[in-house]
Amino acid sequence: QKEVEQNSGPLSVPEGAIASLNCTYSDRGSQSFFWYRQYSGKSPELIMSIYSNGDKEDGRFTAQLNKASQYVSLLIRDSQPSDSATYLCAVTLVKVQKLVFGQGTRLTINP
Amino acid sequence: DAGVIQSPRHEVTEMGQEVTLRCKPISGHNSLFWYRQTMMRGLELLIYFNNNVPIDDSGMPEDRFSAKMPNASFSTLKIQPSEPRDSAVYFCASSLGGQNNQPQHFGDGTRLSIL
Repeated sequence: QKEVEQNSGPLSVPEGAIASLNCTYSDRGSQSFFWYRQYSGKSPELIMSIYSNGDKEDGRFTAQLNKASQYVSLLIRDSQPSDSATYLCAVTLVKVQKLVFGQGTRLTINP
Repeated sequence: DAGVIQSPRHEVTEMGQEVTLRCKPISGHNSLFWYRQTMMRGLELLIYFNNNVPIDDSGMPEDRFSAKMPNASFSTLKIQPSEPRDSAVYFCASSLGGQNNQPQHFGDGTRLSIL
């Protein structure tokens, strides 16, 4: 099992719908979780951080964390074409004391 | 607010040449990270510094790679001699505190091509 695993996609979602991105991780002791957005040819940009079980909302974005099931997800409501990007999940793995990135999920919002 | 600043943005050079990448972290951040990103391997951590001291260099691929952080506002990543397989985008990132709980903020990256 990869330390941080994401479906590489591509994930296609119609404009205005909810996009759901998922990430699983191997280290049960992990405490810090981040979602980054990366446009093609650009650098990763932090969009959400979450540390506790449950939901965290910021505008159209909601991060959901379930430590018991070892997954973290990102929901994007009212998807816009400008949300088309690769979304990277990053988890601080306690065992290796590192922030480890998943391979990313490529999201396309279709007008 | 100035973000993480990297230079050069693009570098094209012939194999065997020395390459030096530069990074200025966000003022006040005391952790600095060098990453490499390729299509095949994704985003890989090469080395990270805390308070200018290298903490983990286990991701540095070979002895051809070296990194320094002489002060809190400057770091270099050097490849000598360079090889075509080193072609990638190299990112520098910085954060407050260690890498465990604080988010990292990335520079624009250096796109490196070794011919």
